[in-house]
Amino acid sequence: DSGVTQTPKHLITATGQRVTLRCSPRSGDLSVYWYQQSLDQGLQFLIQYYNGEERAKGNILERFSAQQFPDLHSELNLSSLELGDSALYFCASSAGLAGLNEQFFGPGTRLTVL
Amino acid sequence: AQSVAQPEDQVNVAEGNPLTVKCTYSVSGNPYLFWYVQYPNRGLQFLLKYITGDNLVKGSYGFEAEFNKSQTSFHLKKPSALVSDSALYFCAVTWTGRRALTFGSGTRLQVQP
Repeated sequence: DSGVTQTPKHLITATGQRVTLRCSPRSGDLSVYWYQQSLDQGLQFLIQYYNGEERAKGNILERFSAQQFPDLHSELNLSSLELGDSALYFCASSAGLAGLNEQFFGPGTRLTVL
Repeated sequence: AQSVAQPEDQVNVAEGNPLTVKCTYSVSGNPYLFWYVQYPNRGLQFLLKYITGDNLVKGSYGFEAEFNKSQTSFHLKKPSALVSDSALYFCAVTWTGRRALTFGSGTRLQVQP
């Protein structure tokens, strides 16, 4: 158990809808990362927050947004969902800001868009 | 462009034999290299990392990896494979000034009893 929790575990929704994925980092970790894992794209970095502030952005679509709250949990919002958004979404946390700190991954949220 | 490659989609090895999972990288500047393992329906688990120093890095569950700067490689090794090592293995790289990991495509390790 990594200490990172994600809810829900599974999400099934329809095209055009909006969903929110939630992540609680390991105790004491200030950095939260979001990744998308799909069969065709592999594991892709979406966005990073550190202590409430956005610090790095990857291949995140404009339809997607995220935030980190004062209690350090994070939410990833996906809107105007398309079939191609179906994927496993992982949250990871690390102690520091720098990329050389190992990241600890949650179990993921499997999103299915029908 | 900065990248990491895992040239083998799958590696098959018999239990008790040594295993190697290959990883090569392309980074200008100093790379920071990681190995993660993913079991079915689970998140990624950190195995080991190379930041600087000794080229041979030891990690969890008896795994080790060797950083080779001249060959730009960071192969994962284990002297004696276990059936329970069967999983999906990801190599990842980052570098100075970058905060996120860039992952390879993954290698499925199958250890036969």
